[in-house]
Amino acid sequence: DQQVKQNSPSLSVQEGRISILNCDYTNSMFDYFLWYKKYPAEGPTFLISISSIKDKNEDGRFTVFLNKSAKHLSLHIVPSQPGDSAVYFCAASAWYSGNTPLVFGKGTRLSVIA
Amino acid sequence: NAGVTQTPKFQVLKTGQSMTLQCAQDMNHNSMYWYRQDPGMGLRLIYYSASEGTTDKGEVPNGYNVSRLNKREFSLRLESAAPSQTSVYFCASSEPRSYGYTFGSGTRLTVV
Repeated sequence: DQQVKQNSPSLSVQEGRISILNCDYTNSMFDYFLWYKKYPAEGPTFLISISSIKDKNEDGRFTVFLNKSAKHLSLHIVPSQPGDSAVYFCAASAWYSGNTPLVFGKGTRLSVIA
Repeated sequence: NAGVTQTPKFQVLKTGQSMTLQCAQDMNHNSMYWYRQDPGMGLRLIYYSASEGTTDKGEVPNGYNVSRLNKREFSLRLESAAPSQTSVYFCASSEPRSYGYTFGSGTRLTVV
């Protein structure tokens, strides 16, 4: 049973517009959430994270929002650039309670069109 | 460059053959992980090692064994490869209670 769900396999956005990638989780023990970015033929790289004590974390063009009651998080990229085209993975962990390994979603392929 | 090194980058095996995927990190991290990535399935944890001398099963451990040889190295062994093990394998490392997993560039394995 999937504990981390990314229900949109792909997303296309015009350059300069906002990209919104969504992620849902089912395990209430998760307390740390991360987004990773992956280019073809490379390993995933860390992008941004948020702990359960916050509802927003911002880093430049990237913002992650967490809605604990809905067990939902989203990644906003503003403005989107062609170099943002990649697969984005949402990941979660029971970091504070047990330091469990990261559980990843299936990923969303973002295409930013110039 | 500091990071996680995986060898080989590509491998083709025949069904029933065995092989070991190698992983080494030079960041002095305590924890190491093996994930596999399949189309439409995301990254799934095979085995992990929270610290030198310990290993634990992940979500999909069947058909695999691991060895934490020392703090730097964590190998993944396929004793009798099956076509279902065709995948891209990623090794990662981190400090305990660290959000930062550093991934290797992957090993693309095809079992025919």
